[in-house]
Amino acid sequence: GAVVSQHPSWVICKSGTSVKIECRSLDFQATTMFWYRQFPKQSLMLMATSNEGSKATYEQGVEKDKFLINHASLTLSTLTVTSAHPEDSSFYICSASEGGEKLFFGSGTQLSVL
Amino acid sequence: DAKTTQPPSMDCAEGRAANLPCNHSTISGNEYVYWYRQIHSQGPQYIIHGLKNNETNEMASLIITEDRKSSTLILPHATLRDTAVYYCIVRAIYNFNKFYFGSGTKLNVKP
Repeated sequence: GAVVSQHPSWVICKSGTSVKIECRSLDFQATTMFWYRQFPKQSLMLMATSNEGSKATYEQGVEKDKFLINHASLTLSTLTVTSAHPEDSSFYICSASEGGEKLFFGSGTQLSVL
Repeated sequence: DAKTTQPPSMDCAEGRAANLPCNHSTISGNEYVYWYRQIHSQGPQYIIHGLKNNETNEMASLIITEDRKSSTLILPHATLRDTAVYYCIVRAIYNFNKFYFGSGTKLNVKP
């Protein structure tokens, strides 16, 4: 099946710094990618829909200035957590569809903010 | 969007079939039933999906009731590596916007 690569797998940062997470579709073009967040022992929560060449669409309650999404090409979307704080520590997961019937997910990024 | 209801957890003996139920009584005619699983600290993995007919692939079988209000995912011979959280999601085909996850079922496969 289609492969979605996410980098880094884990990151530790100091409070107040910004962290960028990359999501790449390796063998297909994705006009739309999706970003999820998952806290321990909870389900995945959809944060935003990333559209190539246009602004992302954020779910209710997700701060767009806090979580900057850039989808500059058909194979790359980035999520930047700005001015990270300990409460932003979470597992972030991206996903993409190759236009078919399935949605493929990256392996996730564990963010720990000290 | 149609909501789904799944039991929070289930146990299964290794080598036996695991049958995971999902209720989706408000499913619309154009909505498919998707199953994904998430092994600890990994991204969700696609398992199978279907509209109204039963489906089978190398991983599992999907049985959908005639009225489409419920379905069952069957892992024919569960192994310890099948221990994971299994999510049942209903969504219109080709439209993955608002692809929401419910709470899922934690399947514990025991030796």
